Amino acid sequence: AQRVTQPEKLLSVFKGAPVELKCNYSYSGSPELFWYVQYSRQRLQLLLRHISRESIKGFTADLNKGETSFHLKKPFAQEEDSAMYYCALSAFGGYNKLIFGAGTRLAVHP
Amino acid sequence: EAGVTQFPSHSVIEKGQTVTLRCDPISGHDNLYWYRRVMGKEIKFLLHFVKESKQDESGMPNNRFLAERTGGTYSTLKVQPAELEDSGVYFCASSQNMNTEAFFGQGTRLTVV
Repeated sequence: AQRVTQPEKLLSVFKGAPVELKCNYSYSGSPELFWYVQYSRQRLQLLLRHISRESIKGFTADLNKGETSFHLKKPFAQEEDSAMYYCALSAFGGYNKLIFGAGTRLAVHP
Repeated sequence: EAGVTQFPSHSVIEKGQTVTLRCDPISGHDNLYWYRRVMGKEIKFLLHFVKESKQDESGMPNNRFLAERTGGTYSTLKVQPAELEDSGVYFCASSQNMNTEAFFGQGTRLTVV
């Protein structure tokens, strides 16, 4: 069965520290993976799409098919990065029928 | 450009009542998706419209849920009768096509008491 696992409910770091939000998936085909972010009182928005291979707001994520992971990383966390982060998998490609993880709350302290 | 808009933002109803949630997608977006997050769990797919047609409704939990998109514009999601376990946040998203970014609404928080 297709599944996305985010093992940490909360990740708490200090400003300037490196951040790694973990995401593992199970999927039998070639997955398409995304990271979404929801800042306080804002709507869910796309942060990264793995096929784009972009760096957004200093965040990067690499798809590791061997480890079935798509961890989100940033070398130096900022307070404005505090938010809820969701890893998602597309079962059929594109944005159709996204399968979300439970989310990780990132708290960046001054 | 207006984003995806959902009404109401909050709804508190009693068990057994009916509630209708509305989603206005971004103009010109043929694809419309409904998702929901129940307390402490993942955001789960409910269904997908392409224009007025239901492309995939495999995530609809049971026949108490009815989604429509008459005319291919806004969509409604009706829960009748509502049960306690239906409480959660219902999200709508829209995209121009399945390969372009899906933009989410702010969600409707439904509380069934």
